[in-house]
Amino acid sequence: NAGVTQTPKFQVLKTGQSMTLQCAQDMNHNSMYWYRQDPGMGLRLIYYSASEGTTDKGEVPNGYNVSRLNKREFSLRLESAAPSQTSVYFCASRLTFSGTQYFGPGTRLLVL
Amino acid sequence: KQEVTQIPAALSVPEGENLVLNCSFTDSAIYNLQWFRQDPGKGLTSLLLIQSSQREQTSGRLNASLDKSSGRSTLYIAASQPGDSATYLCAVKGETSGSRLTFGEGTQLTVNP
Repeated sequence: NAGVTQTPKFQVLKTGQSMTLQCAQDMNHNSMYWYRQDPGMGLRLIYYSASEGTTDKGEVPNGYNVSRLNKREFSLRLESAAPSQTSVYFCASRLTFSGTQYFGPGTRLLVL
Repeated sequence: KQEVTQIPAALSVPEGENLVLNCSFTDSAIYNLQWFRQDPGKGLTSLLLIQSSQREQTSGRLNASLDKSSGRSTLYIAASQPGDSATYLCAVKGETSGSRLTFGEGTQLTVNP
């Protein structure tokens, strides 16, 4: 099993550009999550999908949109990137409500 | 609002020492608590998950305890090794927070040979 995979690993954008971060898991997990990690702020939840067909806002959803394409895939879109969105983005998944959360390797995004 | 604090922010120890990392949380109404390890430039790796009804969990040289009523958890690492050097994060899942985890900022551990 590959676990949770993310693409791309690293991206540089100019202010105002758009991009989509891709995430896929092969563990047949029901729930998927997008976090951002910033120095001094820790990990913060952007959006999550408790099950296929549902998405919900997390702590910091502004400037982002998500799509739960199917059970395996959960994408994060930045419509108009801003320097404040420079961060490391992690995707995670979990099988059950009370289970262990598994993380992908991260996408490092720099917005100039 | 749940807040999770990890003290110290950084810790340096000689190889072979036993050590304890601390995690405290402000709202004791939690569903479970999870400890993670993060290596530089990498994602998070789950180490131990403790349900609210449990007092501790063990995996190899790691032992995590949970005192829900006092809002504290500790991660004990026995006979530390240089390969244990990483940042250790704890995260709590609240009873009313749905699927959300609240993370601490982590303790950066360095084990010196």
